[in-house]
Parts: sequence; structure tokens; C-alpha cells
Amino acid sequence: EVQLVESGGGLVQRGGSLRLSCAASGFTVSSKYMSWVRQAPGKGLEWVSVIYSGGVTYYADSVKGRFTISRDNSKNTLYLQMNSLRAEDTAVYYCSSGWSLDAFDIWGQGTMVTVSS
Amino acid sequence: SSELTQDPAVSVALGQTVRITCQGDSLRSYYASWYQQKSGQAPVLVIYGKNNRPSGIPDRFSGSSSGNTASLTITGAQAEDEADYYCNSRDSSGNHVVFGGGTKLTVL
Repeated sequence: EVQLVESGGGLVQRGGSLRLSCAASGFTVSSKYMSWVRQAPGKGLEWVSVIYSGGVTYYADSVKGRFTISRDNSKNTLYLQMNSLRAEDTAVYYCSSGWSLDAFDIWGQGTMVTVSS
Repeated sequence: SSELTQDPAVSVALGQTVRITCQGDSLRSYYASWYQQKSGQAPVLVIYGKNNRPSGIPDRFSGSSSGNTASLTITGAQAEDEADYYCNSRDSSGNHVVFGGGTKLTVL
């Protein structure tokens, strides 16, 4: 079965750090565009970051310099290291994959990150 | 980066046809993808590329594009189609992704 399962969310203080994980099954993370997308409570979807199959990474301006996307091919897992967290980073974080940059055909169930001030 | 604009809310009578639109400069260069998100659930891809449906998506969902506007059409809306719908595409750089603000679809 093709699926993504996120973990690592939780409550963290402003300025703190958190690492999210996304375990893939049924396909290899190194073969697809892998992205993180977040959704603040009651708000819309916001793209956060992508890692290409070749390893190139890109970030939304709102997280650039604070977040780092990576993957471990041996574990078939995607990560998002989040540093210097702010209240506005509070959201459900989804990992997603696609055969193109902007068509996400597989989504995880999401993991909630709450940044307390 | 560029923005994608969607109407916040749209309603449709059961069995009728509804069009949800998405406007943005990047749509002149890139196709939009469309996602359905029901309350408390992860988004689901319903349309991508010129007008492609992933496996399992009913053929009442279709996509089109003209100029800076992409559209998602539901022909014969069903009660289970009530959800939030989001468009996305690449931004003008081609390396970032942008989402529209979402449209809440109510089926009357």
C-alpha cells in the first residue's frame, strides 16, 4: 500500500526546535518530489518546502533559513527540521509526494505542531 | 512569488453543475492542480495537468484553463462533494509552489 505517515509533532515553546518525520511505504522517497505543506487552524494550505529527486531543495520565504528539509533514502523517510519556531508556525504539517512539483498525489494524515508564546 | 485567488464560498444545488475558479499570473505558464479537503481530513488530488484525474476520482470532476484562470467543474454535484477545494501551481520562478486560499463548496 502506498502511504505516508508523519510523526514528531507536538507542543514547543517559541524559539524552540522540532523535527518532523514522514515514513513512506509503497514507493521510494528519492524517486519523487517530496514536499511539506502546512495548514494553520481554520486556514488554508500553505506550501513549506520541497526536495527534488536529485536532492535540490526549495523553501517558502516564511520559513527560509529556519527550516531544513532532508531525506534518508535508507530509511525511506522525509524530514523537516524546524528551528527558531514562531507562533505563526502553529499548524498541521502534511508531507506529500508527486511526480511533478505541483501535483501532490499522496498525502500523509498530518501532524500537529503548536508553538506556545 | 505569485498569488492564486479563489472565491471563498460557492454553492450548488444537488445534481447541478458548478465551476470553481482560480486566478493568477502563474497560470499563464503552468497548469493548476486541484484538491478536495473534507473536514478533518488530508487533501485529495482531484485534477492535475491539462485535465487529468487520478485513479478513483469520479469523471464528474474536470479541469480547464484559459489565460490566467483555471477552473474546476463538477458536473452533477453530489452531497459527498461538499468540501473545501484548493488550487495550486508553480510560482513565477518555477521552483516554488503556491496555493489558492480555498473555496468552500456547499451542496444544497
